Amino acid sequence: DAKTTQPNSMESNEEEPVHLPCNHSTISGTDYIHWYRQLPSQGPEYVIHGLTSNVNNRMASLAIAEDRKSSTLILHRATLRDAAVYYCILRAYYDKIIFGKGTRLHILP
Amino acid sequence: ETGVTQTPRHLVMGMTNKKSLKCEQHLGHNAMYWYKQSAKKPLELMFVYSLEERVENNSVPSRFSPECPNSSHLFLHLHTLQPEDSALYLCASSQSASGRHQETQYFGPGTRLLVL
Repeated sequence: DAKTTQPNSMESNEEEPVHLPCNHSTISGTDYIHWYRQLPSQGPEYVIHGLTSNVNNRMASLAIAEDRKSSTLILHRATLRDAAVYYCILRAYYDKIIFGKGTRLHILP
Repeated sequence: ETGVTQTPRHLVMGMTNKKSLKCEQHLGHNAMYWYKQSAKKPLELMFVYSLEERVENNSVPSRFSPECPNSSHLFLHLHTLQPEDSALYLCASSQSASGRHQETQYFGPGTRLLVL
């Protein structure tokens, strides 16, 4: 299975942008990059995914490096409700989702 | 009600008890999943059902017995559990179980299980 590396934890101030990094140096050409997050006492929820181009949706933006060996999830204006564990996941074709330990994001008021 | 629901949200049981966890999805999906999340460990996939047929069983002990009577409902029957089985049990659903790399899974809130 393709692997990802994320920092264990990060802190950010409320109402500031947050950049959550993910390294995936062994990514193959057909692997999609998915991000999920898990809020306290809840199940994971889908955030965003992409292949090569940068992606935007109402929750976040995903910036993918040109060589695809790393990506960054961008929360444009963090709120206290964004405090969660963020998982960066690679999905090969017809492969299941495999969760790592993720990054625990703390938002400071 | 929308999305994926799970009941009960919390459960305490003794090692000799038999209990069941229930999951229901209101998304019209064809695949359902059970995951286990122990403290300080990543989520572990336990079972996958596609169109009510079990398509994956990740070496889960027989004291966990899944049941999928239709594509909207999934159960996890528990018997003679051990204290180390205490964890958050999460149910998820997706459009299909083919694992197409663009597909999204939708998770329920989980059942927090404590085995005494």
